[in-house]
Amino acid sequence: AQSVTQLDSHVSVSEGTPVLLRCNYSSSYSPSLFWYVQHPNKGLQLLLKYTSAATLVKGINGFEAEFKKSETSFHLTKPSAHMSDAAEYFCVVSDRQGGKLIFGQGTELSVKP
Amino acid sequence: NAGVTQTPKFQVLKTGQSMTLQCAQDMNHEYMSWYRQDPGMGLRLIHYSVGAGITDQGEVPNGYNVSRSTTEDFPLRLLSAAPSQTSVYFCASSYSNPRGGPTDTQYFGPGTRLTVL
Repeated sequence: AQSVTQLDSHVSVSEGTPVLLRCNYSSSYSPSLFWYVQHPNKGLQLLLKYTSAATLVKGINGFEAEFKKSETSFHLTKPSAHMSDAAEYFCVVSDRQGGKLIFGQGTELSVKP
Repeated sequence: NAGVTQTPKFQVLKTGQSMTLQCAQDMNHEYMSWYRQDPGMGLRLIHYSVGAGITDQGEVPNGYNVSRSTTEDFPLRLLSAAPSQTSVYFCASSYSNPRGGPTDTQYFGPGTRLTVL
């Protein structure tokens, strides 16, 4: 069975400093992994996805994530936070058998001026 | 393209009332799904459909019914609302992969915020 754990429910950074949102996954199969972002009172938007190509995945708005099989991790990073990055971020796993998406609990990112 | 649309945006129900949450997409996607979002629990899959006339249960299907008579529409029905169904509901769609599940990118609607008193 697949599962995903986001290690922080809330992360607070200052504008211009790096962002790190942590995600560990469990999967019986070679997984597809995603990060979605949800701005307040909005739907979810895909930030980036890993599907067994390059282990370092670049997404929109300067975000990237690295797939580390040995650590079963898929942490999301950004070199310099912007005020507009304040949102909730979800790490998601989907198994290659064509199953459903399994969402993590979410990490709320706050960005201080 | 309007993408994925959901109506209503907000709804308040009394316990025992019924209602239908509407979802429509204009991208000709085969796969559609309903999720509920509760604080600290992420999104959980309620029901999904891999095409017109085909539906199946997700992780938390109890208390909800769905049907898929057309490719475009995937309504979610609450037959007898309960306070435990107070949540934000998201509809999503994507193309289907060869195994019948969603492809990598799902498109989400803006959500319906439901309160059951």
